[in-house]
Amino acid sequence: EDQVTQSPEALRLQEGESSSLNCSYTVSGLRGLFWYRQDPGKGPEFLFTLYSAGEEKEKERLKATLTKKESFLHITAPKPEDSATYLCAVIDFGNEKLTFGTGTRLTIIP
Amino acid sequence: KAGVTQTPRYLIKTRGQQVTLSCSPISGHRSVSWYQQTPGQGLQFLFEYFSETQRNKGNFPGRFSGRQFSNSRSEMNVSTLELGDSALYLCASSLAQVSGANVLTFGAGSRLTVL
Repeated sequence: EDQVTQSPEALRLQEGESSSLNCSYTVSGLRGLFWYRQDPGKGPEFLFTLYSAGEEKEKERLKATLTKKESFLHITAPKPEDSATYLCAVIDFGNEKLTFGTGTRLTIIP
Repeated sequence: KAGVTQTPRYLIKTRGQQVTLSCSPISGHRSVSWYQQTPGQGLQFLFEYFSETQRNKGNFPGRFSGRQFSNSRSEMNVSTLELGDSALYLCASSLAQVSGANVLTFGAGSRLTVL
């Protein structure tokens, strides 16, 4: 069974203080790894898809990277509007079901 | 372009009752999937529909059921509600047949409270 573990559960940063969120996964054969952002009272919003180890994607202050066992979401010089819960999810070739981690709640303090 | 619409947004039920939640996907999206989100478990996959056929089902009891109509709108039903069914129920739509392998667009969810 696919497993996704995200750490830390919660992270508080000062505005401009860069950091990384971790997503460790166990799958039989990775089909894709997804990052979503969820704001309070809203559904998750798509950020990135990564397919193979070594792949990187960037969007504004966010950069996602992928290895064979984990993915990192790097946030550079964050702003208060980056505060949200960041969710990682994986799908493998076997079961076609998306498995989510429990998320990292990120708070950026002005 | 309208997003994924879920109704109702909030509802309160008592144990033993049943509930039906509705989801209207993005126009042109034929795949709809449902997830349960709770603070302790995160998002857990309930089921997925494509062209009115259930393609995949998560590990939930038979009290949880769903269906998809010819216009791609979907409903899920929970019968004999239990306190543990209190959660945010999220619907997501995508273009592809295997929704989990592609970008999902989520609705804002239906917040169910069971008393």
